[in-house]
Amino acid sequence: DAKTTQPPSMDCAEGRAANLPCNHSTISGNEYVYWYRQIHSQGPQYIIHGLKNNETNEMASLIITEDRKSSTLILPHATLRDTAVYYCIVRVGDTDKLIFGTGTRLQVFP
Amino acid sequence: KAGVTQTPRYLIKTRGQQVTLSCSPISGHRSVSWYQQTPGQGLQFLFEYFSETQRNKGNFPGRFSGRQFSNSRSEMNVSTLELGDSALYLCASSPSGYRTDTQYFGPGTRLTVL
Repeated sequence: DAKTTQPPSMDCAEGRAANLPCNHSTISGNEYVYWYRQIHSQGPQYIIHGLKNNETNEMASLIITEDRKSSTLILPHATLRDTAVYYCIVRVGDTDKLIFGTGTRLQVFP
Repeated sequence: KAGVTQTPRYLIKTRGQQVTLSCSPISGHRSVSWYQQTPGQGLQFLFEYFSETQRNKGNFPGRFSGRQFSNSRSEMNVSTLELGDSALYLCASSPSGYRTDTQYFGPGTRLTVL
């Protein structure tokens, strides 16, 4: 079973920041949080991952709460091309077995 | 580096037939995983291979099988196809499957069973 909870959908105006929340209250101390997105019928695209510190890359920022029970993915200036389903995943152990939940469908509008 | 490639991209089969899908991982990646995506069940893990050995298996019937070759390329096979096997089949690769290794996905193979 997925270990994360995400809102099913969100809207964001183009040019504004998109803040996508994720709850992972049962996360263990050595489990990483990964974010992927999937644009219609394409393969999921890696965005960012983190353990407990905030992370930033060219695509997004990841803010993890101090108790690690939730996180927020931030797309600083959303564009229409960011319209996609965003998946928050807790990586369990040293395997490539990812458990996808239902994700958040982000719609960016002009 | 070239990304993960999957062949064929589209496939149409009839019930009862079998199908083989192919995945070439990113150069240097030794871990390959397969996923099935359907509208009803979403993205589901099928299996994972590392160094030619199946390391993990999802909850799918034995009709679904796979293998990995010494060059890390992988194939998955579905025998006795059913209508419900119509799906997007995705392959992903990573260097070794370690928890900090990023998995990169291919574009998928769209299988339609008639």
